[in-house]
Amino acid sequence: ETGVTQSPTHLIKTRGQQVTLRCSSQSGHNTVSWYQQALGQGPQFIFQYYREEENGRGNFPPRFSGLQFPNYSSELNVNALELDDSALYLCASSLGQTTGELFFGEGSRLTVL
Amino acid sequence: GENVEQHPSTLSVQEGDSAVIKCTYSDSASNYFPWYKQELGKGPQLIIDIRSNVGEKKDQRIAVTLNKTAKHFSLHITETQPEDSAVYFCAASRGDGNKLVFGAGTILRVKS
Repeated sequence: ETGVTQSPTHLIKTRGQQVTLRCSSQSGHNTVSWYQQALGQGPQFIFQYYREEENGRGNFPPRFSGLQFPNYSSELNVNALELDDSALYLCASSLGQTTGELFFGEGSRLTVL
Repeated sequence: GENVEQHPSTLSVQEGDSAVIKCTYSDSASNYFPWYKQELGKGPQLIIDIRSNVGEKKDQRIAVTLNKTAKHFSLHITETQPEDSAVYFCAASRGDGNKLVFGAGTILRVKS
């Protein structure tokens, strides 16, 4: 059984650019959630995908968007990057959309200069 | 919306002592309260959780208590070991999907 894997692990972008982060969910998990973790803070919910559709969204602007694919893997896209977007982006998979254990990946560290 | 406050922000204990981390939440509809441990360079890992129909839950050296009336819950770690050193996060959810609202975290240092 493979765990949640994310890529890339680190990346550096400049303001105004766009970024795509990728996540492979744990085997058998059909739900993916994305969280943003700023340095020294707790993770903040961005959105969740279930059966390829967005199923809940946190307080993030529309320039944060995502996709889920038929194999349950997912992408997080951020357009028009701002300095405050610098953070660790965590993907978590789970079985089903109701509250239960989230299995987190190790995250993608994004630095915006 | 839900707001979760966590205290203390840092906690240093001697190996073998107990550690207690406390959280309060604001949304009385929240019904699921997990605790996550995050080691350096890794994603958070669930260590214990409790649902609103239970007041206390134990798993070896770790226990969680929930007071729904006061809207607070606590993590208790007994006989701490150096490998318990990490950042601990509490979270709350009202069961709407897997949206968790996290506290700001507690850095636990266990000194040997």
